[in-house]
Amino acid sequence: SQQGEEDPQALSIQEGENATMNCSYKTSINNLQWYRQNSGRGLVHLILIRSNEREKHSGRLRVTLDTSKKSSSLLITASRAADTASYFCATDANDYKLSFGAGTTVTVRA
Amino acid sequence: SAVISQKPSRDICQRGTSLTIQCQVDSQVTMMFWYRQQPGQSLTLIATANQGSEATYESGFVIDKFPISRPNLTFSTLTVSNMSPEDSSIYLCSVEVWGSSYEQYFGPGTRLTVT
Repeated sequence: SQQGEEDPQALSIQEGENATMNCSYKTSINNLQWYRQNSGRGLVHLILIRSNEREKHSGRLRVTLDTSKKSSSLLITASRAADTASYFCATDANDYKLSFGAGTTVTVRA
Repeated sequence: SAVISQKPSRDICQRGTSLTIQCQVDSQVTMMFWYRQQPGQSLTLIATANQGSEATYESGFVIDKFPISRPNLTFSTLTVSNMSPEDSSIYLCSVEVWGSSYEQYFGPGTRLTVT
């Protein structure tokens, strides 16, 4: 079953702006991973953050994790048209099985 | 990371037939998984493909409907049996690579349409 809830469901921004999306989950986790999916294709792994980490960066991506609030956020800075995609968070409760959120659809307008 | 391929990339099948989807990884992996993504939805785990033993299925999925094989550490198949239009989905395999610190990587997916 899906553990994560993502907010917002959809986001439309201008190129160059930042995009922020949030993920909340229900049970304790070992790690949380963020993925990107373009037009119903396969998932691209973006970043993994462990339960004992609070923030992680990768290029234009910044992920935070607050285990006390059971939530995570993904920030994409200086967005580009190529960032148009659906973004999913997935939690691993230490059994290697991923539970996915509903996803946030991001549209970057030129 | 790992390079994962799936065959076929897409197919249109008639109801009542079966389709076998292949997943090939370019390196040996510990864990392989199969997910389903119904239209406009998120991903749901179908089963864990175990090397040398039967797959472990999640609630709501059964072996008769989704038989899985994993003959070695780089290959797995998922069969969607006796298909109905409700089986129209994207099917994705994922792997966890040794030494990747729990990161899971996904194949490109197989888009199945059942008519």
